[in-house]
Amino acid sequence: QKEVEQNSGPLSVPEGAIASLNCTYSDRGSQSFFWYRQYSGKSPELIMFIYSNGDKEDGRFTAQLNKASQYVSLLIRDSQPSDSATYLCAVNREGGGNKLTFGTGTQLKVEL
Amino acid sequence: DTEVTQTPKHLVMGMTNKKSLKCEQHMGHRAMYWYKQKAKKPPELMFVYSYEKLSINESVPSRFSPECPNSSLLNLHLHALQPEDSALYLCASSQDLAGAQETQYFGPGTRLLVL
Repeated sequence: QKEVEQNSGPLSVPEGAIASLNCTYSDRGSQSFFWYRQYSGKSPELIMFIYSNGDKEDGRFTAQLNKASQYVSLLIRDSQPSDSATYLCAVNREGGGNKLTFGTGTQLKVEL
Repeated sequence: DTEVTQTPKHLVMGMTNKKSLKCEQHMGHRAMYWYKQKAKKPPELMFVYSYEKLSINESVPSRFSPECPNSSLLNLHLHALQPEDSALYLCASSQDLAGAQETQYFGPGTRLLVL
């Protein structure tokens, strides 16, 4: 079992729809959860981070964390073609020297 | 400002060459990282520096040699690389290593091609 799992996609959604990206993790000691967006050929860009159970909203983005289910998600409302990218879920644990464990990423395609 | 800069943007080198990658941040961060990323794969951690001292070496071959001259600069010296070392090399920084809530910010990367 991989430590951080994501569906590789591609996930295709029409413009204006809600895109839902999911991530599961195996280490119950995980404390912090990060979503990075990576355009093809570019470096990862931090979208959101979440530490506590529940929802965290930032503009069109909402991160959801459920530690009991070991599940974190990213919702993108009113999806735009510019949101088309690979979304990387990354997990950190206390005392881990700030070593991020990345999922393999989900490719999102927002279609006109 | 969450900017991390890296130079050069692209680098082509032969297997006998010696080259260096440079990374700089002016956010006052005390932790800096080198990652390697192959196509369609997530970033792989190579090295971590904390307060200018090497904190983590993920069993990286000695042909990669990191250096942290000061708190704002991080170098990666390359020597006798192999074609399979061709990848995007990413630098990142964070405030510290103190807790799991430290956010890492990535630079634009150096795309390396080894011939």
